Amino acid sequence: GENVEQHPSTLSVQEGDSAVIKCTYSDSASNYFPWYKQELGKRPQLIIDIRSNVGEKKDQRIAVTLNKTAKHFSLHITETQPEDSAVYFCAAIMNYGGSQGNLIFGKGTKLSVKP
Amino acid sequence: DVKVTQSSRYLVKRTGEKVFLECVQDMDHENMFWYRQDPGLGLRLIYFSYDVKMKEKGDIPEGYSVSREKKERFSLILESASTNQTSMYLCASSLQGVRYGYTFGSGTRLTVV
Repeated sequence: GENVEQHPSTLSVQEGDSAVIKCTYSDSASNYFPWYKQELGKRPQLIIDIRSNVGEKKDQRIAVTLNKTAKHFSLHITETQPEDSAVYFCAAIMNYGGSQGNLIFGKGTKLSVKP
Repeated sequence: DVKVTQSSRYLVKRTGEKVFLECVQDMDHENMFWYRQDPGLGLRLIYFSYDVKMKEKGDIPEGYSVSREKKERFSLILESASTNQTSMYLCASSLQGVRYGYTFGSGTRLTVV
């Protein structure tokens, strides 16, 4: 089955610096890789996703890169702000059969942005 | 806006009790999921369902069962609650297919004493 490894488990940066979170996956058939942000006491929310037919996707200060050959993908946050402080989860699809599959999540990265 | 509603935000139950966690989504999503969230362990899949009456075990189904009698509702059942089931439980739903993200509920913080 799919296995998703996420690093680092904690990350502390100064406001304005960049933050990078990396994930690797095991199932070469995975073709969808979302990232979720969970603020303290709140539900995980989708912030960006990437499909296997592209290598990079950007949305304002957030970007995700995908290397299918190496089976790893990364989240990049530029010009970090205190409100970026949260736990971030990467995920990859584990195919169940036919057109269905389930998300397998990494263990999360707690990002702290210091003002 | 997709809404996934979990009936209780906080719940305290005694060891051995039968516990029902309810989840309702209002966007006609085919897929529904139950995850458990523990510090350092991330989100672990308990059970999932791709259709009414359909249910499949996830990675950690022991001690749990589920029910999906209607498309919009997915219930998680702890047959006999134990202290090691103290956790945050998150329900999620999605459209059918492997290329769609999930929408999560706000979670139920369950404490078993």
